[in-house]
Formats: sequence, C-alpha cells, structure tokens
Amino acid sequence: NAGVTQTPKFQVLKTGQSMTLQCAQDMNHEYMSWYRQDPGMGLRLIHYSVGAGITDQGEVPNGYNVSRSTTEDFPLRLLSAAPSQTSVYFCASSAGLEQFFGPGTRLTVL
Amino acid sequence: GQQLNQSPQSMFIQEGEDVSMNCTSSSIFNTWLWYKQDPGEGPVLLIALYKAGELTSNGRLTAQFGITRKDSFLNISASIPSDVGIYFCAGQPWGNKLVFGAGTILRVKS
Repeated sequence: NAGVTQTPKFQVLKTGQSMTLQCAQDMNHEYMSWYRQDPGMGLRLIHYSVGAGITDQGEVPNGYNVSRSTTEDFPLRLLSAAPSQTSVYFCASSAGLEQFFGPGTRLTVL
Repeated sequence: GQQLNQSPQSMFIQEGEDVSMNCTSSSIFNTWLWYKQDPGEGPVLLIALYKAGELTSNGRLTAQFGITRKDSFLNISASIPSDVGIYFCAGQPWGNKLVFGAGTILRVKS
C-alpha cells in the first residue's frame, strides 16, 4: 500500500494562476481532508469529504475548490492563486479516528 | 472557531532529558491525539486518547487526557536525538474533524 500520495511535492505559481493539487489514497477510506500548514498556526482544515460525491467546507475554504468523484481521489483546486496561499498543503484520509497524512505539497505564490 | 493553546512553542532538549508539553482548550473534546512531524513529512500519529483521565504510553511517550476534557499533556522520557521535530496536539470535538494546536518545536541543544 502506498498510503496517501500527493503531487506535486513543490510548486511555484504566479498570482492569478490556477492549479490542482492531487491527492490519492489506496486504503479505501471514506473520509478525506485537506489542511494547510503555516508557521505558528498548526494545521487548518480547508475542505473535507465524508465519501464520494460529498464535500464540505472546513475552517479556511476561501479560494479553494474540491470535488470527490471517487473514493480514492480528492483534488484541491486553487482558482486564482494569491500570495496568501503560500503554504504547505497536506491531504489526509481516515476510516476511523486516526488520520493518515500525505507527505505534503509546498506551494509558493509570487 | 475552536482553538487549542499548545505550549511551549519551542524547546531545546539535551539527550537524556525528560520533555513535557501540553494543550488546553476552551471547549470539551471527545478525543485527544498527539502527532509528530519530521522535516519534509506529514504528521504521524503517536498516541490517541479516548476517555477523560486516560493515561496511555507508547514506548518513551506518555500522554494523558485531562479530567475536565479540556486539556492533555505529552511527556517524552530520556529524550534521544531522533525525538527532534514538531509535536502537534489535536482535539476531536465530533465526527472525524480535527482541531490542531500550533505545535511544539523540539530542537537539540548544542
């Protein structure tokens, strides 16, 4: 099992560009989520999904879209990147209380 | 939104020392979790606590779920160099959602 995989590992964008961060899990978990990690602020929940076709907003959803067409994949879309979205993004999945995290995507928006 | 206060923000350890960190919340949590993050990696679950007053160990790590359900602490005994990293507490108020503390950075004293 690969667990939770994320691509790309690093990305640099210009303000206004759009992109999709990919997340996939092979553990057949229903629950998946996206977090952003900023210095001194821990991890903050962006969006989450309790199963295919169901998504909901977390604490900091503005500027991000998600969809969940399959159990395995949960992509995060930045519609029009802004410097405030410079961060490290983590995807996680769980079947119960323990969340398994991917290795992260480090995004810089210039 | 709910917030967790995690302290200390950072600390230096010397090999062999015991380390303590804690988290407090203004809200009651049903579950407390402690994660460790190594550089360039996603957080990994160390200990999960499910009941008020519960004391759980994982090797040299010991964590407790406070009686009031609003706090938790993590102790590391006889620290070793590979203990360095960022430690996060996380509370689970309901469902699968997690609320994270800002993290405690453990560094080695030189």
